Amino acid sequence: RKEVEQDPGPFNVPEGATVAFNCTYSNSASQSFFWYRQDCRKEPKLLMSVYSSGNEDGRFTAQLNRASQYISLLIRDSKLSDSATYLCVVKMNRDDKIIFGKGTRLHILP
Amino acid sequence: SQTIHQWPATLVQPVGSPLSLECTVEGTSNPNLYWYRQAAGRGLQLLFYSVGIGQISSEVPQNLSASRPQDRQFILSSKKLLLSDSGFYLCAWWKSSYEQYFGPGTRLTVT
Repeated sequence: RKEVEQDPGPFNVPEGATVAFNCTYSNSASQSFFWYRQDCRKEPKLLMSVYSSGNEDGRFTAQLNRASQYISLLIRDSKLSDSATYLCVVKMNRDDKIIFGKGTRLHILP
Repeated sequence: SQTIHQWPATLVQPVGSPLSLECTVEGTSNPNLYWYRQAAGRGLQLLFYSVGIGQISSEVPQNLSASRPQDRQFILSSKKLLLSDSGFYLCAWWKSSYEQYFGPGTRLTVT
């Protein structure tokens, strides 16, 4: 099983819809979780950290399920500008090892 | 504010040629720095990380090397490039336990 797995997509979603995708991780010792956004041919940028209790930032909601070892990202009222690749990132606090998923491509359709 | 620089932005090099990519960080001291590679259609692969001057940890054995000659400088090198070295090279640093920032990247094409 890969350390961090994501559905590569693409997810083609009409503007205004809600979309959600998950990321699973294999190492139960994983401590910190993040979602990054990467636009085409650009560097990844931090979208949000994922806290154990779940957290929300505007239209974006991130959740962590430690028992099932997955994190999720929910985007409400999607905008054309949300089109990007979303990367799941897992960090091991013990040795600062950082593992990126391969990303999920999202296309918001007008 | 903190800023991370990389150069060059793009590079086209023939197979067998040497490589030197530079990353510098401004506005902080003793940063933890990382080199990643993103090949076409693939995820980010951690290549090296450094917690201080002269301290380099390698994640993947290959024909690349890294050096940390100064506190805020991180260099990625190769003596002889391979076709498989083509990719998008990203330097990153951890501002805190919850914040990692990437430089603008260097797009390398090996021909």
